Amino acid sequence: EDQVTQSPEALRLQEGESSSLNCSYTVSGLRGLFWYRQDPGKGPEFLFTLYSAGEEKEKERLKATLTKKESFLHITAPKPEDSATYLCAVQPFGGQNFVFGPGTRLSVLP
Amino acid sequence: DSGVTQTPKHLITATGQRVTLRCSPRSGDLSVYWYQQSLDQGLQFLIQYYNGEERAKGNILERFSAQQFPDLHSELNLSSLELGDSALYFCASSSPARGDTQYFGPGTRLTVL
Repeated sequence: EDQVTQSPEALRLQEGESSSLNCSYTVSGLRGLFWYRQDPGKGPEFLFTLYSAGEEKEKERLKATLTKKESFLHITAPKPEDSATYLCAVQPFGGQNFVFGPGTRLSVLP
Repeated sequence: DSGVTQTPKHLITATGQRVTLRCSPRSGDLSVYWYQQSLDQGLQFLIQYYNGEERAKGNILERFSAQQFPDLHSELNLSSLELGDSALYFCASSSPARGDTQYFGPGTRLTVL
């Protein structure tokens, strides 16, 4: 069965304190790995897609990386507006459906 | 703005009632997905439609049903509502041309009293 886990469950950072979020997955074959940001009560907002091990994508203070078993979302010098829940999802081969992880709730304190 | 629209934004109803949630996908997207997100819970996949046909089913209750119309908008019907059905319901759409990335709507918050 395809599974996605994320750690930590929650993370509190001081503004400017860099850190990484982890997404570990078990899937028969990976077609793509997706990162989303979700603010409370809002729909998930697409951030990145990664397709193969070694691939990296960057956007402002965020950088996503992918290995054969996990992905990391690195947050450099975060700001309070980066506070949100970050969701990871995998798309197995042979389908269009996503399997979502439970998310990491990030709080950045000023 | 993702381009996916959902109505209504909020819905308050009583147990035992039936409601319909509506979703319009991004222009050109043939796939529509429905998800349920309860308080402090992750996104639970309910069902997918592709160009009017059911493509995949997740953890969707028998009291729930969905359909996709010729203009590609989709409706999720929830019947015999229970307190535990209170949640955020999200619709997402995708296109193979965009790598199957799912773009989410703003959601409908359902409260069952």
